[in-house]
Amino acid sequence: GENVEQHPSTLSVQEGDSAVIKCTYSDSASNYFPWYKQELGKRPQLIIDIRSNVGEKKDQRIAVTLNKTAKHFSLHITETQPEDSAVYFCAAMLTFGGGTRLMVKP
Amino acid sequence: DAGVTQSPTHLIKTRGQHVTLRCSPISGHKSVSWYQQVLGQGPQFIFQYYEKEERGRGNFPDRFSARQFPNYSSELNVNALLLGDSALYLCASSFPGESPLHFGNGTRLTVT
Repeated sequence: GENVEQHPSTLSVQEGDSAVIKCTYSDSASNYFPWYKQELGKRPQLIIDIRSNVGEKKDQRIAVTLNKTAKHFSLHITETQPEDSAVYFCAAMLTFGGGTRLMVKP
Repeated sequence: DAGVTQSPTHLIKTRGQHVTLRCSPISGHKSVSWYQQVLGQGPQFIFQYYEKEERGRGNFPDRFSARQFPNYSSELNVNALLLGDSALYLCASSFPGESPLHFGNGTRLTVT
């Protein structure tokens, strides 16, 4: 089955800095890669997704890149704000990574 | 529109007992997926159902089973509960194929 590795497990940045979270997957048949944000005590919610026919997608301060050959994809958050603090999960199809706890310090 | 609803919100059971968790998807969504989330970890995929048929199964023992009803709601059943089954159980609904999951608020199961 699919296996998704996510790094780093924790990430602390200053407000206004950029944050990058990286994921690798194992199944070359996977073609859908969503990212979810989970705030403390709440459910995961989709923030952005990318399909295998696209190499990059951007939505305001959030961007995702995909390298199908290397089987890795990344989330980029620019101009981070305190409200970006949460746990972020990458996924390949229905398989989730272990999560990254992002802390944005004011 | 109502989101994904799960019941109950909290549940305490004893080792060896059986539990049934319920999920109602967003109107129009025909696919339901179940996840187990242990504190500090990512959601672990248990099952996906679409049109009342199992379409995917994660690496969970046969004590875990599920079904989907004609109205697309779903139940997750866990038999012979173990302490390690204590977790947040998340249900998510979606359109078929590669589409985002919409999660419910989960059922917090504690096994003592």
